[in-house]
Amino acid sequence: GENVEQHPSTLSVQEGDSAVIKCTYSDSASNYFPWYKQELGKRPQLIIDIRSNVGEKKDQRIAVTLNKTAKHFSLHITETQPEDSAVYFCAAKGNSGAGSYQLTFGKGTKLSVIP
Amino acid sequence: KAGVTQTPRYLIKTRGQQVTLSCSPISGHRSVSWYQQTPGQGLQFLFEYFSETQRNKGNFPGRFSGRQFSNSRSEMNVSTLELGDSALYLCASSSNAGGDGYTFGSGTRLTVV
Repeated sequence: GENVEQHPSTLSVQEGDSAVIKCTYSDSASNYFPWYKQELGKRPQLIIDIRSNVGEKKDQRIAVTLNKTAKHFSLHITETQPEDSAVYFCAAKGNSGAGSYQLTFGKGTKLSVIP
Repeated sequence: KAGVTQTPRYLIKTRGQQVTLSCSPISGHRSVSWYQQTPGQGLQFLFEYFSETQRNKGNFPGRFSGRQFSNSRSEMNVSTLELGDSALYLCASSSNAGGDGYTFGSGTRLTVV
């Protein structure tokens, strides 16, 4: 089945700086890659997603890039603000073998934005 | 539009007991998936239901089971509870099978003592 690795596990940045979180996946047939933000004590919320036929997607200060050849995708947050502090999870939807068509999540990155 | 509703929010059970958790998806959503969230393991997939059929099952023992009703509401059951089952159980719903655009509920915090 699919395996997703996420780095780093913790990340501290100064307010206004950029933050980058990277994930790699194992199933070359995976075709859907969402990112979720989970604030302390709250539910994970979808912030952006990308499909395998697209290389990059932007939504205001957030962007996701996908490199299918290298099987990795990244979340970029620019001009970080204290309210960006949360745990971020990447995920990939496998498309072959056991466990296909379900989301497999990375273990999360705790982002702290220092005012 | 109401979100994904999970009940109860908190549960404390004793080892050996069984528990049933409930999830009501967003109206119109036919796919419901369940995840176990623990600090060390992140979100681990339990199973997915779509139109009352289990489409996928994760790598959990048979003590974990689920079902989905004709109104898309879903329940998961854990029998013979173990201390290691203590976790936040999240369900997510989507209009299509497979997890695209999942909306998560707030979860049920299960503590096994």
